[in-house]
Amino acid sequence: AQTVTQSQPEMSVQEAETVTLSCTYDTSENNYYLFWYKQPPSRQMILVIRQEAYKQQNATENRFSVNFQKAAKSFSLKISDSQLGDTAMYFCAFMMVRAGGTSYGKLTFGQGTILTVHP
Amino acid sequence: DGGITQSPKYLFRKEGQNVTLSCEQNLNHDAMYWYRQDPGQGLRLIYYSQIVNDFQKGDIAEGYSVSREKKESFPLTVTSAQKNPTAFYLCASSMAGTGGTDTQYFGPGTRLTVL
Repeated sequence: AQTVTQSQPEMSVQEAETVTLSCTYDTSENNYYLFWYKQPPSRQMILVIRQEAYKQQNATENRFSVNFQKAAKSFSLKISDSQLGDTAMYFCAFMMVRAGGTSYGKLTFGQGTILTVHP
Repeated sequence: DGGITQSPKYLFRKEGQNVTLSCEQNLNHDAMYWYRQDPGQGLRLIYYSQIVNDFQKGDIAEGYSVSREKKESFPLTVTSAQKNPTAFYLCASSMAGTGGTDTQYFGPGTRLTVL
């Protein structure tokens, strides 16, 4: 079974600074996807970024980027130029993929990291 | 406009009662999912369905039931057999494909409280 671990229950950062959230996972599979989701106080889950395990290049979405280290089974999220609206709980998640490329559809989530951005 | 809707936003249940949570999507997604979120924990998968009239148990299916009679609807029933149903319930949907199409998108959630 796959497990996802987020070792930082809470983090804080000053507005405009950079912060990195950690995530490690355990799997014996070679083909999978990794995700970061954001859950603000409204509790709506919002996709932040997605990474395919077969891609060596790290995914980037505007101010959000990942550091994907497949051998170390590490998938950290870097938020640059932090904004007050980034305050939320962040979840790392894992999805297994079949040999043909289609996913099994099941997401396994970490416990989450609460990020607070201070003005 | 397209999206995933869940109703009600808040639901109160007496012990021993069954309740049904609604989830509807107009994104033409093939797959739908139900997750449970408890305080301080990540989401856990209850049930999922990749096509109409078919669904599979997730990691914590005991005490729950689902149906998938229409592509756009995936209601979840919390039965009296579920011993600790107070939680936040999230519905999600995705295309059943590859190349990013299977990314899951979430509804706004239903907060269920047992009185």
